[in-house]
Amino acid sequence: AQSVTQPDIHITVSEGASLELRCNYSYGATPYLFWYVQSPGQGLQLLLKYFSGDTLVQGIKGFEAEFKRSQSSFNLRKPSVHWSDAAEYFCAVVLYNNNDMRFGAGTRLTVKP
Amino acid sequence: NAGVTQTPKFQVLKTGQSMTLQCAQDMNHNSMYWYRQDPGMGLRLIYYSASEGTTDKGEVPNGYNVSRLNKREFSLRLESAAPSQTSVYFCASSEAGYGYTFGSGTRLTVV
Repeated sequence: AQSVTQPDIHITVSEGASLELRCNYSYGATPYLFWYVQSPGQGLQLLLKYFSGDTLVQGIKGFEAEFKRSQSSFNLRKPSVHWSDAAEYFCAVVLYNNNDMRFGAGTRLTVKP
Repeated sequence: NAGVTQTPKFQVLKTGQSMTLQCAQDMNHNSMYWYRQDPGMGLRLIYYSASEGTTDKGEVPNGYNVSRLNKREFSLRLESAAPSQTSVYFCASSEAGYGYTFGSGTRLTVV
């Protein structure tokens, strides 16, 4: 069955530390991949997306993600976390020409001072 | 520069009542979507509309109906609300399924 998995429900990091949020997908073909961020009480904002080409993609707010086909993964990274990064992060996938975007369950990020 | 606008932002319904959630986008996107968000479950697709005049079921359509009124507007209707429909509802739009733009959500409580 097609699925998107974010193994970590909640992650806590110290401000200034590096961050990696994991995402794995299970699809028959390589889907289009996305990361979204949601602040409390807000909608979802697109951080970055991967369609094809260079497997390391840069996004907004200093985030990047690396697509690894062999591992069916699309992990989100940031070298130095800021307190304002505290939010919930969602990985999402959609197949080309398919309107059914599927989301992972989300990872809540807490940033310690 | 409004993007996707949802109304209302908050709503409390009694079991069995009906209501319609409104969504409008000003980006001339062909595709529009309704999702619900529940704790620990991410977002799940209720219905989508790939173009004006078409609608299709998503992952969790039971208890809902939709109308694509025109290219801009896509409404979600609950005919007889149930407590299980307590959730946060998000409307989104996109062009060719790439990078959805989301509204700010409607928080619905059914008592």
